[in-house]
Amino acid sequence: NAGVMQNPRHLVRRRGQEARLRCSPMKGHSHVYWYRQLPEEGLKFMVYLQKENIIDESGMPKERFSAEFPKEGPSILRIQQVVRGDSAAYFCASSPRGYYEQYFGPGTRLTVT
Amino acid sequence: GIQVEQSPPDLILQEGANSTLRCNFSDSVNNLQWFHQNPWGQLINLFYIPSGTKQNGRLSATTVATERYSLLYISSSQTTDSGVYFCAVEPPVGQNFVFGPGTRLSVLP
Repeated sequence: NAGVMQNPRHLVRRRGQEARLRCSPMKGHSHVYWYRQLPEEGLKFMVYLQKENIIDESGMPKERFSAEFPKEGPSILRIQQVVRGDSAAYFCASSPRGYYEQYFGPGTRLTVT
Repeated sequence: GIQVEQSPPDLILQEGANSTLRCNFSDSVNNLQWFHQNPWGQLINLFYIPSGTKQNGRLSATTVATERYSLLYISSSQTTDSGVYFCAVEPPVGQNFVFGPGTRLSVLP
């Protein structure tokens, strides 16, 4: 039973480029959560999605960030016009139902040069 | 919003020693999880423990929700236990997990 998959594991972007991070939840899980971890800090909630719906995006920056979880395929976290401050580890988690035990992927480490 | 504190912030142990990590939270919670982030950055689920006591091998956890704290016990520590231990709490229904700042554990051979 495969766990939560994230790709790429490492991503390097120049300032101003776009970053697209992908997350495939565990089999049977339809709830996906994205978190950001800055160096030497804890994880901060960004967005919670169910298939085709954004349930809670209270942790998402208002500009440049967006997330989707289409009916088919992985969840995507998209960061437009990246800046150096976006450099962080981005983790995705999934759960079988809302507000329940979450299982985390290995993370995508984004570096903006 | 809810505040989550973890203590101690840093802990150095000799292999074989026991330890207790604490997580305090400022308001009632629906759920609580403990995670281990290993030195490679991977987050590993340890316990999903909104209340009561659970054990898994050398690790056990207790949550006393009415007193707003949870404890993680590590017995006979090994070098592979090194990393950062996070607790995450879920405030009342409709709000997402809030992570504590973590306890950084180093187990020396």
